Order: sequence, then C-alpha cells, then structure tokens
Amino acid sequence: SQQGEEDPQALSIQEGENATMNCSYKTSINNLQWYRQNSGRGLVHLILIRSNEREKHSGRLRVTLDTSKKSSSLLITASRAADTASYFCATLANSGGYQKVTFGTGTKLQVIP
Amino acid sequence: EAQVTQNPRYLITVTGKKLTVTCSQNMNHEYMSWYRQDPGLGLRQIYYSMNVEVTDKGDVPEGYKVSRKEKRNFPLILESPSPNQTSLYFCASSQQGRTEAFFGQGTRLTVV
Repeated sequence: SQQGEEDPQALSIQEGENATMNCSYKTSINNLQWYRQNSGRGLVHLILIRSNEREKHSGRLRVTLDTSKKSSSLLITASRAADTASYFCATLANSGGYQKVTFGTGTKLQVIP
Repeated sequence: EAQVTQNPRYLITVTGKKLTVTCSQNMNHEYMSWYRQDPGLGLRQIYYSMNVEVTDKGDVPEGYKVSRKEKRNFPLILESPSPNQTSLYFCASSQQGRTEAFFGQGTRLTVV
C-alpha cells in the first residue's frame, strides 16, 4: 500500500454535519499537509501540520497528527455543500538526501444540501 | 498573481508522437514536480526538481523526461507516448518542498 492512504475512500453526509477523514502513512515525516481538489481541477493547499505538532486549526478545519500511530485526521465542522470535493493528505519525508512529497489516494466527500 | 501555469489544458495525440507539456511558475520556487492522477490511484509523482539542473525520478518515471534549464520552467516530455500514459497531469511548485505546494490547472492527456 502507499505512503499516505486516506480512509474512507468516499464519504457522504448531510449539510451541517461534521466530516472526518483519516490518513495513514508508513515512514517518518517532516510534515503532513491536507489538500482539496474540486472535480478535475488542481489541488489547493488547506493546512500543514509539522511532525512536532499534535493539533492545528484553521477556520472550520481541525487537523490532528499522531506520529506514534503514523496517522492524521482532518475534521471539517458544520459542513456545507461547497465542501464537496476530494481531499488528499501529503507527507513530506527525507528520501535519499532530498525531501519527497507523497500524496495519498484521497477521500471523496459529498455534502448533501 | 502567484500561479503555476500548464499548457495545454487538453491534448489528444496518437501513439508515438512526441509531445511536451509546459509548466511555468512565477513564485521563484526552487522545488517543482510533475504528477499524474488516475482513478483510484491518487497522485503519483513522475519527476521532481530541487533546483535548476537538478532533477530526479519520482515513483513512475518510465516513459517521461524532464528538464530544468531555468528556475521558472519545468517541461514534461513524452518522447513516444503510449495509451497507458492517458491521464490527468499536474505540475506543482513549492519553496524547497517544505511548504505548501501550488498546483497548475492540470493537463488532460489522451493517447490513442
């Protein structure tokens, strides 16, 4: 399996509910980022959490990082129809003297109005 | 406006006909990379570049070439495209790979 795997693969919720997506990875990382992608468009950066941080907030987004379990979660509170998109985690890790960014397979979120 | 520009946005070509997808960024970023996105596989890195004249293979480099002669440009070259290279391609840039990446709009390539 790949570095940076999201779970679930797809999620459908009602507007106003919270959405939680998880990401697991395999190697030690420097930081972990979450991105959003609207259908067929480029990815847009949402939030970055460093390996020495445990939790970070940005508006309705809350990200946690557990380096002992090699996992992260993205919580979107009070979801809106406009939050419908795919969400990807990306890990940054040292690899052969360079820092390599690896994306996961994504979670497709549908928010029903 | 800070941006990453890819061209073309859409391309249909035939097997074996060389093509180049251009990528340009105006943020003076050192780090640039190319990804392909396929259903169920997420984004897979093709090549990346840490700086001018410094490039390295990503996870799926076979059938692709890149060059980084200038800091702002990072073209992706398919010398002899094949149908299995039909995909959605994204170029991205960031400050030394440590911070947020900025993505281009994507290039949807179909090889028939």
